[in-house]
Amino acid sequence: GQQLNQSPQSMFIQEGEDVSMNCTSSSIFNTWLWYKQDPGEGPVLLIALYKAGELTSNGRLTAQFGITRKDSFLNISASIPSDVGIYFCAGPLSGSARQLTFGSGTQLTVLP
Amino acid sequence: KAGVTQTPRYLIKTRGQQVTLSCSPISGHRSVSWYQQTPGQGLQFLFEYFSETQRNKGNFPGRFSGRQFSNSRSEMNVSTLELGDSALYLCASREGTGAAPLHFGNGTRLTVT
Repeated sequence: GQQLNQSPQSMFIQEGEDVSMNCTSSSIFNTWLWYKQDPGEGPVLLIALYKAGELTSNGRLTAQFGITRKDSFLNISASIPSDVGIYFCAGPLSGSARQLTFGSGTQLTVLP
Repeated sequence: KAGVTQTPRYLIKTRGQQVTLSCSPISGHRSVSWYQQTPGQGLQFLFEYFSETQRNKGNFPGRFSGRQFSNSRSEMNVSTLELGDSALYLCASREGTGAAPLHFGNGTRLTVT
């Protein structure tokens, strides 16, 4: 079935550093979504991408929809302590646009 | 607008019992989806409701069921609880019938002992 391979699984970075994570799939996606989940809370939508090649920013966050439609990247610039959390990529399942499949998440730790 | 509201936040049940979780979507959102989140399996789709009808169902046993009311509020029920049902159950809502992004609540943490 469709799976999203998200990497890295975890990251430890210094405050102020830039971060990059990505998701790949063997299947084509028409939408890529990036969520962040803080401890004890539900995932919060960060960025939604709808078009191959699309580059979208949300403050210090930038995400790109890969040209092949099989991958997406999320970059965080100048990380701060509140960036700590789990980042998930997600996309609609083939044949069921309304059901999302999620990557396994990237656990980000920002060291002071 | 208020976000997606889920109640209760925490539940402890014993094996064999049943449980009902509640979700109020964002005002104006008519689609409600439920997801199960566990450390081992990650986020997995349970089902989706729109206009009081189940539109989509994930690969979970029949012990997992749900419903949606005319005001778009939704409930999910798990019967004959098993230890493996311990998880964070997340409700999400979206606008309309298209593939709009989901907006999640903070979940109900279910522990089965």
